Amino acid sequence: GQNIDQPTEMTATEGAIVQINCTYQTSGFNGLFWYQQHAGEAPTFLSYNVLDGLEEKGRFSSFLSRSKGYSYLLLKELQMKDSASYLCAVSPNTGFQKLVFGTGTRLLVSP
Amino acid sequence: ETGVTQSPTHLIKTRGQQVTLRCSSQSGHNTVSWYQQALGQGPQFIFQYYREEENGRGNFPPRFSGLQFPNYSSELNVNALELDDSALYLCASSSDSSTDTQYFGPGTRLTVL
Repeated sequence: GQNIDQPTEMTATEGAIVQINCTYQTSGFNGLFWYQQHAGEAPTFLSYNVLDGLEEKGRFSSFLSRSKGYSYLLLKELQMKDSASYLCAVSPNTGFQKLVFGTGTRLLVSP
Repeated sequence: ETGVTQSPTHLIKTRGQQVTLRCSSQSGHNTVSWYQQALGQGPQFIFQYYREEENGRGNFPPRFSGLQFPNYSSELNVNALELDDSALYLCASSSDSSTDTQYFGPGTRLTVL
């Protein structure tokens, strides 16, 4: 089976740092993606990890540990516009492109 | 902007009807995937098309079907609509690599009454 777990909701203050965790159990592994989704809009790509370690991209970083089935998305210097849902998705090794998504973490940034 | 467009934006249908949703992929992207996203949930994989052939399917019944055309456009058809089909339908395009990033369109919000 395939299972992706992430917290339902988180709150943080503008300017702070927040870490959104994701644990996964899949029958195969071909990479892990993070997407941002504002209410009523399409998911937009944030990051991709296939090897263990930290990938940094501006204010956003993503970490992967394949042995632990664990990833996190780190958001620094939070801004009000970062209020959105953050979706963790795994690409199982199915021979074709398919993403298995978690339910998403709704992040609320307050002033 | 991902270069992926979908139409219509919103749609209201009644139970038992049929619906066709459309997607235009990024130029050069030969793969299109369709997802269903219920309110408060993550997207669920419906199926994927590569070079006009279905090459993968999720846990959705046969009344969900699709087509992909040579001009990077595609369709999702749903027959015999049920109330539970109410959701946001997203298409995502990507290039040929199995690890390539999928870029999503803005979605079609379908309401079944």
